[in-house]
Amino acid sequence: ETGVTQTPRHLVMGMTNKKSLKCEQHLGHNAMYWYKQSAKKPLELMFVYNFKEQTENNSVPSRFSPECPNSSHLFLHLHTLQPEDSALYLCASSQGVRDAEQFFGPGTRLTVL
Amino acid sequence: DAKTTQPPSMDCAEGRAANLPCNHSTISGNEYVYWYRQIHSQGPQYIIHGLKNNETNEMASLIITEDRKSSTLILPHATLRDTAVYYCIVRLRSYNTDKLIFGTGTRLQVFP
Repeated sequence: ETGVTQTPRHLVMGMTNKKSLKCEQHLGHNAMYWYKQSAKKPLELMFVYNFKEQTENNSVPSRFSPECPNSSHLFLHLHTLQPEDSALYLCASSQGVRDAEQFFGPGTRLTVL
Repeated sequence: DAKTTQPPSMDCAEGRAANLPCNHSTISGNEYVYWYRQIHSQGPQYIIHGLKNNETNEMASLIITEDRKSSTLILPHATLRDTAVYYCIVRLRSYNTDKLIFGTGTRLQVFP
C-alpha cells in the first residue's frame, strides 16, 4: 500500500466510448503524474501536475485529457481511443516535482476493443 | 538526457547478494542515479538514489564508480519477494520539472 489509489483497476472500452481513470493520493503531496506502460515497452511519462497546474505534456494525443481539480486527485479522461492505447496506466505522486521519490499506484489495466 | 544500459535479466539464489549493474557513461555532473523496481502487476517502487557517494538504506546499497559512468545496486540478502524488474534511471535535476526516464530494466529472478 503506497498511499496512491487508482480506480478502476481494470477497464475494457470500445473505441467510441468515453471513460475516466481516477487517481487519489493520501500522502499530502503536491505533484502528480500519469505514466503509460505498454507491453514490452518502457514506462512513458505522459503528464505532470504541480500544485494543480500542468507542467509537462509529453506530446500526448488529445484523446487523452488530464484533469487535476486539487493536489490529491488526478483524472485521465479518455475518448475515441485506439486499440494501440491498450496499456497499464500508472499514476504517481511526489512531495514536489523535484523530489527524489515518486509513489506509484497499482495502475489501471486498459483494454481498447 | 543521459541513457542507461542494463542487462536484460539476472538470476540470484535466495539469501545471496544480488548485484545489479548499470552503465551510464554519458551522465552529466548534475544528474542523479535512481533505482526503482516493479514487482509483477504492481506500480514501480523507489529503492535508492545517489549523486557521487555510495548510499545505503534499509532496502539496498548503491555503489557509484568514481568517474560516475557506472553503478551497482546491491540487495545484500535477496529473498523471493525481490523478484522484479529493476530500473536504473539517470535523472536530470532541472529548474522546472525533473523527469524519470525509464528504460527496459533488468529482470531479477530470485530462486530458492
